[in-house]
Amino acid sequence: NAGVTQTPKFRVLKTGQSMTLLCAQDMNHEYMYWYRQDPGMGLRLIHYSVGEGTTAKGEVPDGYNVSRLKKQNFLLGLESAAPSQTSVYFCASRGSLPSYEQYFGPGTRLTVT
Amino acid sequence: AQSVTQLGSHVSVSEGALVLLRCNYSSSVPPYLFWYVQYPNQGLQLLLKYTTGATLVKGINGFEAEFKKSETSFHLTKPSAHMSDAAEYFCAVSLSGGYNKLIFGAGTRLAVHP
Repeated sequence: NAGVTQTPKFRVLKTGQSMTLLCAQDMNHEYMYWYRQDPGMGLRLIHYSVGEGTTAKGEVPDGYNVSRLKKQNFLLGLESAAPSQTSVYFCASRGSLPSYEQYFGPGTRLTVT
Repeated sequence: AQSVTQLGSHVSVSEGALVLLRCNYSSSVPPYLFWYVQYPNQGLQLLLKYTTGATLVKGINGFEAEFKKSETSFHLTKPSAHMSDAAEYFCAVSLSGGYNKLIFGAGTRLAVHP
């Protein structure tokens, strides 16, 4: 099993450009999450999904959109990138209860200039 | 509201010395507690977790943590540091049920020197 994978690993955008980050998991997990990691702030939840076709906002959703058309994929979109969105983005997934462990992907490093 | 505080953004120890990384949380109900480790340029890997039962939890790589409800703490320890333990460590808390959002601390970077 590959676990959780993320595409791309690195990306540089100019202000105003758009892009989509792809997260894929092969563990048949129901729950998927997008986090951003910034120095000194730990990880903060952007959006999450509790199943195919469902999404919800996390702590810092502004400027991002998500979609979960297939159970194994969770897409994070930036419609108009801003320098404040320079960060490392992590995707995670979790199975149904009683499992509480989230499995993380390797991350995407995004720079917006 | 839940929150997690990790005391010390940087901790430095000698190889073979005790590792102690501190984590305190605030929660109105008993939480589930986690420690994750992040090696350079990698994702997060679960070290250990506390959900219910025994309050002393053993994890991978010789780490353990003790849930102390009276002190609202979940400190991470390892008796003898190894060079390969150098990484960033995150404490996280989650409430039971729902979508189990993880609230992370700011992280502690552990350096191990010879």
